[in-house]
Amino acid sequence: QQQVKQSPQSLIVQKGGISIINCAYENTAFDYFPWYQQFPGKGPALLIAIRPDVSEKKEGRFTISFNKSAKQFSLHIMDSQPGDSATYFCAALFTGAGSYQLTFGKGTKLSVIP
Amino acid sequence: DAGITQSPRHKVTETGTPVTLRCHQTENHRYMYWYRQDPGHGLRLIHYSYGVKDTDKGEVSDGYSVSRSKTEDFLLTLESATSSQTSVYFCAISDRAGGPGNEQFFGPGTRLTVL
Repeated sequence: QQQVKQSPQSLIVQKGGISIINCAYENTAFDYFPWYQQFPGKGPALLIAIRPDVSEKKEGRFTISFNKSAKQFSLHIMDSQPGDSATYFCAALFTGAGSYQLTFGKGTKLSVIP
Repeated sequence: DAGITQSPRHKVTETGTPVTLRCHQTENHRYMYWYRQDPGHGLRLIHYSYGVKDTDKGEVSDGYSVSRSKTEDFLLTLESATSSQTSVYFCAISDRAGGPGNEQFFGPGTRLTVL
């Protein structure tokens, strides 16, 4: 059972454009939603994260939009650059006692072309 | 990679042989995790540890065992490797249980091929 669905699987964006990656979750107990960025040959690294009590979080060119009622959240990369080319994973976590398991989406491979 | 090393970085083995992957951290973090990454599946948790000798199963634990005898080391063992265990394995660590401010830091990965 896939609890976090991510789309699209791959994305090609022109330099300077906006990249948008979407995720939907099923478990309403999830209360922490991080995004990870992974470059080829490297481990994933935390990019930005949000809790469901806010609808948007922005860090530089990266913004998470969160829609609690729809159980959806998305990553927007403004002014996309070739250096943003990587695989992006959304994830979800229940931060209650005894919970440790991040549930990941399947990933989106982003290619930003000059 | 946040003071995390994985060894070996690459391994090719044959079906039926035992394989042990090692994760070593220098951050003194309490929590350690093993994930596998496969195309089209993202990252899936195999096992995790919340302290020395304290481990539990994740989403895809069948065919894997783990051990943690020291804070800094977390071993993943494939008792009898199968081709379906060909994957990239990542170790991760966190200071506390996941959540705001307690992110998981990932190691560089081990690429395992089972022929």
